[in-house]
Amino acid sequence: DAKTTQPPSMDCAEGRAANLPCNHSTISGNEYVYWYRQIHSQGPQYIIHGLKNNETNEMASLIITEDRKSSTLILPHATLRDTAVYYCIVRVRGKLIFGQGTELSVKP
Amino acid sequence: GAGVSQSPSNKVTEKGKDVELRCDPISGHTALYWYRQRLGQGLEFLIYFQGNSAPDKSGLPSDRFSAERTGESVSTLTIQRTQQEDSAVYLCASSFVGDETQYFGPGTRLLVL
Repeated sequence: DAKTTQPPSMDCAEGRAANLPCNHSTISGNEYVYWYRQIHSQGPQYIIHGLKNNETNEMASLIITEDRKSSTLILPHATLRDTAVYYCIVRVRGKLIFGQGTELSVKP
Repeated sequence: GAGVSQSPSNKVTEKGKDVELRCDPISGHTALYWYRQRLGQGLEFLIYFQGNSAPDKSGLPSDRFSAERTGESVSTLTIQRTQQEDSAVYLCASSFVGDETQYFGPGTRLLVL
């Protein structure tokens, strides 16, 4: 089963880009990479997902390396409301397997 | 439109009692998931209902845990003979089968004394 590894915590200055890395070296060819975030005391919120091409939506951009062994979530202009735990996830037999995530703290 | 709702939002129970947690998915969503999140930890998959297929129960931690879903609507997670280690937030999510986005409810905070 594909697993993901992320740094446990990161800081980012308000207004700067937040770049959150994720390693998924055992991902198989047809597994998507998903990103969710969880703001304190709330349920997780979907951000973005991708297979091999880079993706962008109104919340973030997702950069996936050519070998698909790692990816980076980019929040282009982080705000204080982006402070949350960010989960990089792969879907294994229909299930999202959440790891510990990265706790992003956006500071003024 | 209405999102995923869960009830109760908080539940305090005594060790050994049974509890039932309810999830109302988004209308039309054929897939439904239950997760557990202990304090300060990530989400732990419990069970997955996919349309009319047999549910994937591989994440249920013991036979004290069970879940049912009526058609493509409400699901109930039941924990029998609760233990203190069952204290956690229980999260429900739903999606269309084949749609990669799961929508989460606010969770039920269970405290077993």
